[in-house]
Amino acid sequence: KAGVTQTPRYLIKTRGQQVTLSCSPISGHRSVSWYQQTPGQGLQFLFEYFSETQRNKGNFPGRFSGRQFSNSRSEMNVSTLELGDSALYLCASSLGQGTRNTIYFGEGSWLTVV
Amino acid sequence: GQQVMQIPQYQHVQEGEDFTTYCNSSTTLSNIQWYKQRPGGHPVFLIQLVKSGEVKKQKRLTFQFGEAKKNSSLHITATQTTDVGTYFCAGWKGSGGSNYKLTFGKGTLLTVNP
Repeated sequence: KAGVTQTPRYLIKTRGQQVTLSCSPISGHRSVSWYQQTPGQGLQFLFEYFSETQRNKGNFPGRFSGRQFSNSRSEMNVSTLELGDSALYLCASSLGQGTRNTIYFGEGSWLTVV
Repeated sequence: GQQVMQIPQYQHVQEGEDFTTYCNSSTTLSNIQWYKQRPGGHPVFLIQLVKSGEVKKQKRLTFQFGEAKKNSSLHITATQTTDVGTYFCAGWKGSGGSNYKLTFGKGTLLTVNP
């Protein structure tokens, strides 16, 4: 069974630009969550989608948004990029919602903002 | 801010020595999960503990969940160079209903000197 797939793997953007990252969950998984990982802050929760609806949101500004499609694939968008947005963005999928679910991470998208 | 505390932040050992990382939460966790992230890689699920006082073993790795379900530990016996990486604990935290998110500790970076 294929794992969580994220594209692109690496990208460089300029301050002020916007970026869209894509995530294909494990087949059959309906929940997708996004995390930002930086050396200083560690793994921070961005948001979670289930059945095309955002179910939970972390403490990030409105420049960070996402959506989920009917096939469970998800995208996240960051507008008006800032230098501090440079990070590894990880997508994770799980079968469903709920605290007993195990989440499985993709390899991530490395974003550098210059 | 981070609500799941993990110590130590770094640990360097000689190959063959033991290693332990500790995870503490100020509130009771429904369960706790452990992940390993190799340098340059993505977090990979190791195990989930659910019951109070639960102990699980995976070869040289021993995981414990505290009686109060507020703390956990991961112990590696006789470390090997393949154990190098950052070990994260994660607990579900939320305000009830479906408003839960997986909150990660900042991780313990383990390096092993051969």
